[in-house]
Amino acid sequence: KAGVTQTPRYLIKTRGQQVTLSCSPISGHRSVSWYQQTPGQGLQFLFEYFSETQRNKGNFPGRFSGRQFSNSRSEMNVSTLELGDSALYLCASSLEANSPLHFGNGTRLTVT
Amino acid sequence: TQLLEQSPQFLSIQEGENLTVYCNSSSVFSSLQWYRQEPGEGPVLLVTVVTGGEVKKLKRLTFQFGDARKDSSLHITAAQPGDTGLYLCAGEETSGSRLTFGEGTQLTVNP
Repeated sequence: KAGVTQTPRYLIKTRGQQVTLSCSPISGHRSVSWYQQTPGQGLQFLFEYFSETQRNKGNFPGRFSGRQFSNSRSEMNVSTLELGDSALYLCASSLEANSPLHFGNGTRLTVT
Repeated sequence: TQLLEQSPQFLSIQEGENLTVYCNSSSVFSSLQWYRQEPGEGPVLLVTVVTGGEVKKLKRLTFQFGDARKDSSLHITAAQPGDTGLYLCAGEETSGSRLTFGEGTQLTVNP
């Protein structure tokens, strides 16, 4: 069974640009969560989607948004990038909302 | 938002030594999970503890959930270089499924 796939693995953008990250969950998993990981803050919860609906949202500005498609694939978008958005963005899928999380290997975003 | 504090933040030991990593909160969690993350990869779930006082063993790793379900510990016996990694604890809020992560303990086991 294929694991969680995140694309791209690495991304370099400049301030003010926008970026879209993609996550393909494990087949059959309906819940997808997104986390931001930085050395100083650890893993910070961004949002969770279940059956195309956002179930939970973390304390991030409106520049961070996401969506989930009918095949459970998910995307997150960050607009008007800032230097502080540089981080590893991790996607995790689970069978149901309260099931164990399976993480992808992340997208490393660098904003210059 | 419930906070989880992990200690120590960094730990560098020699192969064969024992170690304990702590995860503490002032709030109660319905369950607590431990993950290990290696460079360039996402976190991988090691164990989930649910009942206060619960102890789970995974080979040389022993996980304990505090009686009040506010804290947890991870003990590694006879550490090996392959144990090197970032160890993360994560608590599930009693009100929903969202996980709150600690900042992690970076463990380095030197041969």
